[in-house]
Amino acid sequence: NAGVTQTPKFRVLKTGQSMTLLCAQDMNHEYMYWYRQDPGMGLRLIHYSVGEGTTAKGEVPDGYNVSRLKKQNFLLGLESAAPSQTSVYFCASSKQGLTYEQYFGPGTRLTVT
Amino acid sequence: RKEVEQDPGPFNVPEGATVAFNCTYSNSASQSFFWYRQDCRKEPKLLMSVYSSGNEDGRFTAQLNRASQYISLLIRDSKLSDSATYLCVVTANQAGTALIFGKGTTLSVSS
Repeated sequence: NAGVTQTPKFRVLKTGQSMTLLCAQDMNHEYMYWYRQDPGMGLRLIHYSVGEGTTAKGEVPDGYNVSRLKKQNFLLGLESAAPSQTSVYFCASSKQGLTYEQYFGPGTRLTVT
Repeated sequence: RKEVEQDPGPFNVPEGATVAFNCTYSNSASQSFFWYRQDCRKEPKLLMSVYSSGNEDGRFTAQLNRASQYISLLIRDSKLSDSATYLCVVTANQAGTALIFGKGTTLSVSS
């Protein structure tokens, strides 16, 4: 039981490049989330999903897109990376809503130059 | 935007000390409250949920004061392994569709 996994763990992009971060969970959780964590700031919600085929915007969605084609996977895309998107990205999942424990992946450290 | 405020610390304490962290939140509609722990360069992990009646888990005690919109975490008999950043987390609204994370309080326990 791997829990929540994220790939890649590290990535360096040049401004304007695109990439997709993959999150996978094997706990059969309905809810999945993408957060970013920046120095001196709390985790901020980018997008979330309450089930397969559904997504919704969080607090800081601009510049990101997401898809949840399979229940176990939640993809975060950056279409045209900007230096402001340099951050640590965490994926999380929970059994149901936010009153339930969120299980986080190990994070992806992204640097945009 | 200061929806969840925490003293960033760091709190530097010796082993065996008792330490208390405070957190205030601005949205009176928040319904659920948590403390998460985050080790350096690791992912956050749930430490405990916080209930209105207060709750205890071993050396950890969490309290909630809805009237003052204040949450606390007390750690007794600190261990070296308690060194981490403690995140105060609340639901953003009554529907509970988002979580708001505090910036965290850093604890360093030394021998």
